[in-house]
Amino acid sequence: SQELEQSPQSLIVQEGKNLTINCTSSKTLYGLYWYKQKYGEGLIFLMMLQKGGEEKSHEKITAKLDEKKQQSSLHITASQPSHAGIYLCGAAKAAGNKLTFGGGTRVLVKP
Amino acid sequence: DVKVTQSSRYLVKRTGEKVFLECVQDMDHENMFWYRQDPGLGLRLIYFSYDVKMKEKGDIPEGYSVSREKKERFSLILESASTNQTSMYLCASSILAGVYEQYFGPGTRLTVT
Repeated sequence: SQELEQSPQSLIVQEGKNLTINCTSSKTLYGLYWYKQKYGEGLIFLMMLQKGGEEKSHEKITAKLDEKKQQSSLHITASQPSHAGIYLCGAAKAAGNKLTFGGGTRVLVKP
Repeated sequence: DVKVTQSSRYLVKRTGEKVFLECVQDMDHENMFWYRQDPGLGLRLIYFSYDVKMKEKGDIPEGYSVSREKKERFSLILESASTNQTSMYLCASSILAGVYEQYFGPGTRLTVT
């Protein structure tokens, strides 16, 4: 099955600092999803990327998909305590919408 | 807004018990999914369904079965719970066509003792 590697596994940043999370696949991705999970809760959809070179932003979060569609990054600018949680990338193999997820990145923002 | 609800947030069961986890979505979505989430392993797909009475195995179906008698409801069944099924279980739904986001429920933390 398609494997997704996320890095780092965990991250502690000072409030106000930027952070970046990476998601890498060994195969070309059909669609790449970013989700955020508050500890012990369900997943909240952040963004979906499908085209090579695509970039999307929402508030202080920017996600990019490289031209080869094998790597994505999630960048948070001027982090706040509300950005704390677990970030997961999920990849669609095809249009059928079945997703494979990475192991997640645990983010802690220190006030 | 799409709402996906799960019957319990926390559940404690004994080894060998039959366990039912229920998931309901209110947006008429065709696709429904069951995942389990374990530390370091991320989310792994157990089963999914793209229509009433239709089901397909995911990556780790062993020890589980599912039921989808109505479009809005997708049940996960542990026929004989074991301690290695202690986990967080997440249900999700999405529309059928194309590449669209999955909407997740709040999760059920199951402990099997």
